[in-house]
Amino acid sequence: EVKLVESGGGLVQPGRSLKLSCAASGFSFNDYWMGWVRQAPGKGLEWIGEINQDSSTINYTPSLKDKFTISRDNAQNTLYLQMSKLGSEDTAIYYCARALRFAYWGQGTLVTVSS
Amino acid sequence: DIVLTQAPLSVSVTPGESASISCRSSKSLLSSKGITSLYWYLQKPGKSPQLLIYRMSNLASGVPDRFSGSGSETDFTLKISKVETEDVGVYYCAQFLEYPLTFGSGTKLEIK
Repeated sequence: EVKLVESGGGLVQPGRSLKLSCAASGFSFNDYWMGWVRQAPGKGLEWIGEINQDSSTINYTPSLKDKFTISRDNAQNTLYLQMSKLGSEDTAIYYCARALRFAYWGQGTLVTVSS
Repeated sequence: DIVLTQAPLSVSVTPGESASISCRSSKSLLSSKGITSLYWYLQKPGKSPQLLIYRMSNLASGVPDRFSGSGSETDFTLKISKVETEDVGVYYCAQFLEYPLTFGSGTKLEIK
């Protein structure tokens, strides 16, 4: 069974950084692109970016490219999202998903940016 | 960026009846390989999104055949035949043709 479990969310002050993790199991992690999608409270889905199998290609939505960094550790079957200079607009549920169809999603982790 | 416009914003359906949701793209989603990169997702209340349809008309694994997708290069339709109460939620279309990947704003399906 494919399973994706996000962690690392919580309350963070504006301007600070936070790193999210996504633990994958039930499939060969290093065979797949992986991605991040977020959803602000009561809003729609926003694609953040995705990373290929060996981390040689990473694509981001332009507005987040300078703030967010996607990485992965294939030995640990884990995907990461490093977020910096966080603002209130970054408050959202953050989902990891298996690309390229996003056929599998994690349960999401809530990040709240507030003083 | 490719903009996806969904209509209607919300739809209320009697169980057993059909529902259709439209998604219009600002650019053709037909690739040079002949693949139309339009996807449909359902997000049930309090849950993560789930894939319904991939490449415009292909049913994802485990999805009931009451769901179907169709369209052209820029205009797409998700049809739900014989709506059931479990179909409530927000439906999103998404394009995977080019970066940045983009989603429609969603259509909320409610049961009468």
